[in-house]
Amino acid sequence: QQQVKQSPQSLIVQKGGISIINCAYENTAFDYFPWYQQFPGKGPALLIAIRPDVSEKKEGRFTISFNKSAKQFSLHIMDSQPGDSATYFCAARGGSNYKLTFGKGTLLTVNP
Amino acid sequence: EPEVTQTPSHQVTQMGQEVILRCVPISNHLYFYWYRQILGQKVEFLVSFYNNEISEKSEIFDDQFSVERPDGSNFTLKIRSTKLEDSAMYFCASRGLVLIYEQYFGPGTRLTVT
Repeated sequence: QQQVKQSPQSLIVQKGGISIINCAYENTAFDYFPWYQQFPGKGPALLIAIRPDVSEKKEGRFTISFNKSAKQFSLHIMDSQPGDSATYFCAARGGSNYKLTFGKGTLLTVNP
Repeated sequence: EPEVTQTPSHQVTQMGQEVILRCVPISNHLYFYWYRQILGQKVEFLVSFYNNEISEKSEIFDDQFSVERPDGSNFTLKIRSTKLEDSAMYFCASRGLVLIYEQYFGPGTRLTVT
């Protein structure tokens, strides 16, 4: 019940295209859903996050769509750029200690 | 911009040896975390720490692991007797009281147990 399932495992997109990564969760106690971007050899960096009382959040080229009834959320990267090539992790926060449960990650490659 | 720092960046140790991984969280943060990422796998929660005590730990965090905040700036993870399966990236994270939802991660320490 603590799992966060992420798909696809890898994604190749052409420059200028839209990248879409999906996540699903089971635990209805999760109350905060961040996305992290990780470059090789670096730690995860917070990209964008959403709370379940909002259905969509947009920051620049990055948008989170959230479907509370389906317990799913997704990251959309518009106008994908080669510099966006990284591993993306969805996560969910639960419990009083704010620990994060991560998905398995999606390796995004944006071809020039 | 303030950031979480970790040392060393890479630690190689022999099985059975003790290792200490060090972290300097963002200075006004009060909540600290350790996560682990085995190569190619997801990031996994190990332990959270607040007010000088463990607030939550995962099943991975057994008696071989301990955490400490020895002074006002450092936060350490000790593995008493390393095993081959402890080889992983270890990330420290911290969060403050204002942006309570946001955890900031350090660059990680790659631990290799031979």
